[in-house]
Amino acid sequence: SQKIEQNSEALNIQEGKTATLTCNYTNYSPAYLQWYRQDPGRGPVFLLLIRENEKEKRKERLKVTFDTTLKQSLFHITASQPADSATYLCALDIGGGNKLTFGTGTQLKVEL
Amino acid sequence: GAVVSQHPSRVICKSGTSVKIECRSLDFQATTMFWYRQFPKQSLMLMATSNEGSKATYEQGVEKDKFLINHASLTLSTLTVTSAHPEDSSFYICGGGTSGGRETQYFGPGTRLLVL
Repeated sequence: SQKIEQNSEALNIQEGKTATLTCNYTNYSPAYLQWYRQDPGRGPVFLLLIRENEKEKRKERLKVTFDTTLKQSLFHITASQPADSATYLCALDIGGGNKLTFGTGTQLKVEL
Repeated sequence: GAVVSQHPSRVICKSGTSVKIECRSLDFQATTMFWYRQFPKQSLMLMATSNEGSKATYEQGVEKDKFLINHASLTLSTLTVTSAHPEDSSFYICGGGTSGGRETQYFGPGTRLLVL
């Protein structure tokens, strides 16, 4: 069966450090992978999309890597700030038609 | 850009009543609208996909007669939870997608439904 795994335990880091979140998947080969941010009681907000032929993508303090051999994506936030505290979701196009299947998300807490 | 609104943001209703949730794309044309449900501490689960002017496609296990979806225009989609029961209490989120090969979805702020 298809599976998308993200660290279920919350990640606590100190302000200014780099946060690294992991997304692992099995049993399919997605054409792309996306990362979203979700705050409590809100809908997800798109952050980055990386395609299967891209190894790395950056946007300001965000960096995403995509290893299709390992079936893994890493999401990095450099110089983290308390405002970065949220749940981060990875999502893959599994069934085609741009339908997204989401991971369970990892909650990030950036402390002063 | 790419703003999606949802209304209402929160609704409490009695068991057996129907609830309609509206989802509007404010500054783009949502050729496809995705409806999700999210239970506490769980991820988003896709319920159905609708294309403007067409019938919605429901995911396995989602009752189409219970969750009525209408996508009458490129800026408005509605989800009606019919004869709601307490187990339907959840966070409902819509996500709009555009045509032209753009894979990103733009999500509404969500609707918290509580069925008593």
